[in-house]
Amino acid sequence: GQSLEQPSEVTAVEGAIVQINCTYQTSGFYGLSWYQQHDGGAPTFLSYNALDGLEETGRFSSFLSRSDSYGYLLLQELQMKDSASYFCAVRSGSARQLTFGSGTQLTVLP
Amino acid sequence: NAGVTQTPKFQVLKTGQSMTLQCAQDMNHNSMYWYRQDPGMGLRLIYYSASEGTTDKGEVPNGYNVSRLNKREFSLRLESAAPSQTSVYFCASSEPGTEKLFFGSGTQLSVL
Repeated sequence: GQSLEQPSEVTAVEGAIVQINCTYQTSGFYGLSWYQQHDGGAPTFLSYNALDGLEETGRFSSFLSRSDSYGYLLLQELQMKDSASYFCAVRSGSARQLTFGSGTQLTVLP
Repeated sequence: NAGVTQTPKFQVLKTGQSMTLQCAQDMNHNSMYWYRQDPGMGLRLIYYSASEGTTDKGEVPNGYNVSRLNKREFSLRLESAAPSQTSVYFCASSEPGTEKLFFGSGTQLSVL
């Protein structure tokens, strides 16, 4: 089966940089995705890494190291609206199902 | 362009009752999914449909059935609801070969 580990909570101040880590154990790994979910809302897609390295999308970047089974989401210039839960997810296995981590609750303080 | 639409948004059931959660997408996606989300946990896949006419079990299928009615619609049925099925249910869709899932707004279900 698959398992993903990410911190349950992270707190940072407005304007700061925060990194949310994700380690995974899986077979037949295809790639690592990140989703954002505000309280009471639906998850929304942020990024996907299939290859090693850094992908940048505006203030958000995502990194993957396949050899270390590790990735992270980097949020720069934090804003209050970034307060949300962030989930890493892996697509793996013969059925290529998407499995989600338990999520990291990010709180941005003024 | 509504994206993924789920109904109802809220539902309260008594143990043993049945109900169907409806989901429709207008993005012409082939793949559709049903997830449940419990407090402090990520989303767990119940069932998915890679294309019209096919359905497959996910991680937690017990107690649920699904129907891929056509390319747009994918419904989730609870035949005999149990308190353990109290959860928030999300429907999602995607195109094969892409990693971007589009989620509906969710259904908050309570089974008493």
